[in-house]
Amino acid sequence: DAKTTQPNSMESNEEEPVHLPCNHSTISGTDYIHWYRQLPSQGPEYVIHGLTSNVNNRMASLAIAEDRKSSTLILHRATLRDAAVYYCILRDPFSEGSGAGSYQLTFGKGTKLSVIP
Amino acid sequence: DGGITQSPKYLFRKEGQNVTLSCEQNLNHDAMYWYRQDPGQGLRLIYYSQIVNDFQKGDIAEGYSVSREKKESFPLTVTSAQKNPTAFYLCASSLRPGTVNTEAFFGQGTRLTVV
Repeated sequence: DAKTTQPNSMESNEEEPVHLPCNHSTISGTDYIHWYRQLPSQGPEYVIHGLTSNVNNRMASLAIAEDRKSSTLILHRATLRDAAVYYCILRDPFSEGSGAGSYQLTFGKGTKLSVIP
Repeated sequence: DGGITQSPKYLFRKEGQNVTLSCEQNLNHDAMYWYRQDPGQGLRLIYYSQIVNDFQKGDIAEGYSVSREKKESFPLTVTSAQKNPTAFYLCASSLRPGTVNTEAFFGQGTRLTVV
């Protein structure tokens, strides 16, 4: 399975932009890059996903490197409510998967984001 | 509102007892998943199901069992064979493989404590 590497933790000041990096050097051509975040004592929630082009939605932006071996989740103005663990995951939506397979969501430890008031 | 519901939120059981965690979704999703999370750790896949009456073991299936008799429901039983059952359990659902928008929706979790 293609794996991702993220820093264990990051800090940001409130109302400043945050750039959360993710390395995925073994990404395959059909893997989509997904980001989820998990607030304390809650289930993860979907943030954004993309394949090749940069993506924007109301929560965040996703910048994908041209060679697709890395990506960055951008929170444009961090708030205290953005303090969470952020997970970068690769997922192939067209893989049926044998055993766990690449279709399944494989979570690492993610990046714990702290937001300083 | 469409969503995925886990119950109960907190569960206490005595060692040696089986316990069943409930997971229900009304999103019309075919795929459902169970994960376990230990303090300070990521999520580990226990079981997943891509369609009714079919399910597959994940990375840590030993000591757990599931059933998928209805599309909406995917209950997880933590058996007495599970050596360290105290954990935070998360259920999720998504569309089946073959569609691009396969983001997963998670429940709020069940925190199981075995004493």
